[in-house]
Amino acid sequence: GDSVTQMEGPVTLSEEAFLTINCTYTATGYPSLFWYVQYPGEGLQLLLKATKADDKGSNKGFEATYRKETTSFHLEKGSVQVSDSAVYFCALRTNAGKSTFGDGTTLTVKP
Amino acid sequence: KAGVTQTPRYLIKTRGQQVTLSCSPISGHRSVSWYQQTPGQGLQFLFEYFSETQRNKGNFPGRFSGRQFSNSRSEMNVSTLELGDSALYLCASSWVNPGQNTGELFFGEGSRLTVL
Repeated sequence: GDSVTQMEGPVTLSEEAFLTINCTYTATGYPSLFWYVQYPGEGLQLLLKATKADDKGSNKGFEATYRKETTSFHLEKGSVQVSDSAVYFCALRTNAGKSTFGDGTTLTVKP
Repeated sequence: KAGVTQTPRYLIKTRGQQVTLSCSPISGHRSVSWYQQTPGQGLQFLFEYFSETQRNKGNFPGRFSGRQFSNSRSEMNVSTLELGDSALYLCASSWVNPGQNTGELFFGEGSRLTVL
């Protein structure tokens, strides 16, 4: 079946540090790929997405590129802020409509 | 545009009871899916409904059930509650284009269930 494996956390960084959260997937067909973010006490919200190979999703300084050859969708940000502290989920959705999520990576950014 | 609305936000039940959670999707969204979130198990897919039909189902026991109404609102029910059912239950809706079901999910804030 479909699966998403993302870098285990928690991850603790200092403000302005570079962030990478790795994500790899297995799926049949050509899924769309997503990063969702969950702030404390809230539901998940979409951070960025990519719908086909070599697409780059970007939002709020975060970026991720759909790499079909390595089945990866790593999340990056050049300079994190304290306000980026949250749980990040990598996910895929197949054309059958089913979504699969990674286990989530907790990011804490210290001033 | 109103977001996904889940009710109730918090509830406490005892073992053996049953519970019904409600989800109102974003207007125009016909796909509604449900997830269970726990610290140990992460985000687990329960089921997805589209046009009142269950289209996908996760690996949960039959005590977990759901339905979708003609206005796309959805409910999920858990019968014979167990302590392990304590979790945050998240509902998500999405837009569906003909032949393409890979759109992003819009989540509600969740219903936090505590089973004593």
